Amino acid sequence: AQTVTQSQPEMSVQEAETVTLSCTYDTSENNYYLFWYKQPPSRQMILVIRQEAYKQQNATENRFSVNFQKAAKSFSLKISDSQLGDTAMYFCAFMKHWPSNFGNEKLTFGTGTRLTIIP
Amino acid sequence: DAEITQSPRHKITETGRQVTLACHQTWNHNNMFWYRQDLGHGLRLIHYSYGVHDTNKGEVSDGYSVSRSNTEDLPLTLESAASSQTSVYFCASSEKADRSGELFFGEGSRLTVL
Repeated sequence: AQTVTQSQPEMSVQEAETVTLSCTYDTSENNYYLFWYKQPPSRQMILVIRQEAYKQQNATENRFSVNFQKAAKSFSLKISDSQLGDTAMYFCAFMKHWPSNFGNEKLTFGTGTRLTIIP
Repeated sequence: DAEITQSPRHKITETGRQVTLACHQTWNHNNMFWYRQDLGHGLRLIHYSYGVHDTNKGEVSDGYSVSRSNTEDLPLTLESAASSQTSVYFCASSEKADRSGELFFGEGSRLTVL
């Protein structure tokens, strides 16, 4: 079974600064997906960024980027130029990769990091 | 716009009562999931379905059941509510053809069992 660990329950940072959220995972799979999901105070969760384990290049989405270290099983999220709207719970998640995951597209989530952006 | 909706958004019930939480999605997604969110545990998978008449147990399925009679709906039933089932419940869906794993979440249903 896969496990996902987020060791930082809460973080805060000044607006416009850069912040990094940590995530480690444990799996015996070689191919998989990793995700960061954001849950704003309104509670509907949305996908922030996705990384495929077989791709060496780190994923980037505007101000959000990841540092994926496959050997270390580490998947951190960096938020640059943080904004007040980035205040949210952030969840790291793992999913096995098709075809070994055929018909099995369920995610395993970490416990989350509550990020507060301070004006 | 396609969406996923949950009802009720808030529910207070008593121990031993049966409760059903509704989930309806208009994306025509094959995959649907129920998670519960508790402090210190993140999101834990309760039940999931890969299509009509298909249901599967997740990691915390005891005391819960689901049924999938059509593509759009996956209601979650607590047969006899217990205080340990006080939680926020999230429904999610994804498209089977999309192997990237992106889930689309509802806004959640906060359940309190007294």
